[in-house]
Amino acid sequence: DTGVSQNPRHKITKRGQNVTFRCDPISEHNRLYWYRQTLGQGPEFLTYFQNEAQLEKSRLLSDRFSAERPKGSFSTLEIQRTEQGDSAMYLCASSPNSLYNSPLHFGNGTRLTVT
Amino acid sequence: AQKITQTQPGMFVQEKEAVTLDCTYDTSDPSYGLFWYKQPSSGEMIFLIYQGSYDQQNATEGRYSLNFQKARKSANLVISASQLGDSAMYFCAMREGNTGTASKLTFGTGTRLQVTL
Repeated sequence: DTGVSQNPRHKITKRGQNVTFRCDPISEHNRLYWYRQTLGQGPEFLTYFQNEAQLEKSRLLSDRFSAERPKGSFSTLEIQRTEQGDSAMYLCASSPNSLYNSPLHFGNGTRLTVT
Repeated sequence: AQKITQTQPGMFVQEKEAVTLDCTYDTSDPSYGLFWYKQPSSGEMIFLIYQGSYDQQNATEGRYSLNFQKARKSANLVISASQLGDSAMYFCAMREGNTGTASKLTFGTGTRLQVTL
């Protein structure tokens, strides 16, 4: 169990640029989640995948956000035309199933700063 | 309505003392799980302890225990013998069981715990 890996750890970008983050879940986990966390708040759900299928998207996920998990393994989260309000920590998590007694295992996050 | 409520933005505790972090929740789903996570300043979310809605006994994991009062819909985290390394943000979260699309964790706003000498 090597844990959930996220890259990059930090990203600074100028407003209007596109950014892409990568998440590698724990290998046997078929569920993958993206969350966003702003300063002083709890993580907010963005979207999740079961294998390669994206099953739910939050209303927080505007059209500028897109997530993929092409082969049911790693996932990418892309933000187009970044805005200063996109500055946040983006957390990825995985779990082996959707059972309510199964915890989510989180990565260390990608901290995005939009200048 | 908030599904998870943590009313204590910040708490202080002296080293070696016990501290209780409050969490109340709201759900109509009979099957649910309650989780506590620790987030140090480095940012990673560390899973601490789990309590299921059908569990008869309170969960314990080392110095962590969960005071689960189902009728009051509360799931307070108790940390015994606090250590300086316990200083962090603590989040309560819930995962509901019976709705296929609701397999996500919903988090509270967190409590910042500061352990002092």
